[in-house]
Amino acid sequence: GAVVSQHPSWVICKSGTSVKIECRSLDFQATTMFWYRQFPKQSLMLMATSNEGSKATYEQGVEKDKFLINHASLTLSTLTVTSAHPEDSSFYICSARASYPGELFFGEGSRLTVL
Amino acid sequence: LAKTTQPISMDSYEGQEVNITCSHNNIATNDYITWYQQFPSQGPRFIIQGYKTKVTNEVASLFIPADRKSSTLSLPRVSLSDTAVYYCLVVLGVGTDKLIFGTGTRLQVFP
Repeated sequence: GAVVSQHPSWVICKSGTSVKIECRSLDFQATTMFWYRQFPKQSLMLMATSNEGSKATYEQGVEKDKFLINHASLTLSTLTVTSAHPEDSSFYICSARASYPGELFFGEGSRLTVL
Repeated sequence: LAKTTQPISMDSYEGQEVNITCSHNNIATNDYITWYQQFPSQGPRFIIQGYKTKVTNEVASLFIPADRKSSTLSLPRVSLSDTAVYYCLVVLGVGTDKLIFGTGTRLQVFP
């Protein structure tokens, strides 16, 4: 089946640094990708929709300057957490679909810990 | 997007059948009911999707009554590895765009 891969699977960084998380569709081209954030014991919260070749659409309350999303190719979307702080520590998950209609596939997730 | 309500948690024992019910009173005509499974520190995994009556695959069955205001995910003969969080979502159309996750049901299977 289709595979969506995230890298890194976990990362620890110091407060104030920026961290980039990659989401790749391994065997299909993804015109749209989605980024979610999940805190412990909580559900997934949609952060933004990433469209290849255009600006991402952010959900209400998500700071676009804080969470930079780039979807430069049909197989790669990146989420950069800028000037990370401890409250940004979370599990970040991406999902991707090739076209509409089509099943959404989720990545393995990336755990960010900001010290 | 229709809001869903499901139990926060459920307990079961190995070998039992588990039924998780989800309420979606405001479901629209074109909405589909989709269930995902999530293990700790992993992304969600698609389980099953249906529109009405009953859908069955190798993993689970999905029962949807005629009014479609609720649905029941049935897991036959659960094992310890079925311990996970199960999310019920109502989505527009098959293979729809963004998904909004509710609270989910945390299923704990005991030996």
